[in-house]
Amino acid sequence: EVQLLESGGGLVQPGGSLRLSCAASGFTFSTYAMSWVRQAPGKGLEWVSGVSGSSGTTYYADSVKGRFTISRDSSRNTLYLQMNSLRAEDTAVYYCAKGVGAKPKYGMDVWGQGTTVTVSS
Amino acid sequence: QSALTQPASVSGSPGQSITISCTGTSSDVGAYNYVSWYQHHPGKAPKLMIYEVSNRPSGVSDRFSGSKSGNTASLTISGLQAEDEADYYCSSYTSSTTVVFGGGTKLTVL
Repeated sequence: EVQLLESGGGLVQPGGSLRLSCAASGFTFSTYAMSWVRQAPGKGLEWVSGVSGSSGTTYYADSVKGRFTISRDSSRNTLYLQMNSLRAEDTAVYYCAKGVGAKPKYGMDVWGQGTTVTVSS
Repeated sequence: QSALTQPASVSGSPGQSITISCTGTSSDVGAYNYVSWYQHHPGKAPKLMIYEVSNRPSGVSDRFSGSKSGNTASLTISGLQAEDEADYYCSSYTSSTTVVFGGGTKLTVL
């Protein structure tokens, strides 16, 4: 069974940093694109970042470019999101999602349950 | 990158059909056949219902179908059932090599 399990969320002060992790199982992790998608309280889904399978090319939404870094460790079947210079508007549930294919553009067919990030003083 | 435009809400009675629209631009929906649709029950993980405009993942009911014309994509749900009540989101690949979601549509089954 394909599974994704996020961790690393929590409360952080504005300007602080946090690293999210997503442990993957049940599929050949290195082959597929992976993405992070977030949902702020009372808002819709927002794609944050993606990384291609095999090539490892990374992609970012303008709202997080320069502050967030996506990476993957295929030896650990784990996806990461390093979040720096956090702002109140980054408060959200962060979902990890597996791509349908090798690039994020094809869609996301398996999602984790999410981890909550709260940015507040 | 602006969000794709979806109606805030739609409703229908059991057994009826409904269609949710998703309007973008010539830089996203109109340019690529990489439109996806997701069902999201609050508090649960989103579920992929349609990818690449009209493809259904295995396990998704054939009551769900997708199409596209110009800059607008559509999700049609036929034979509405109570369990279809959820939020629905479209997404598209963009010319900026990013992915953009719609604002979401709340489906109410009357």
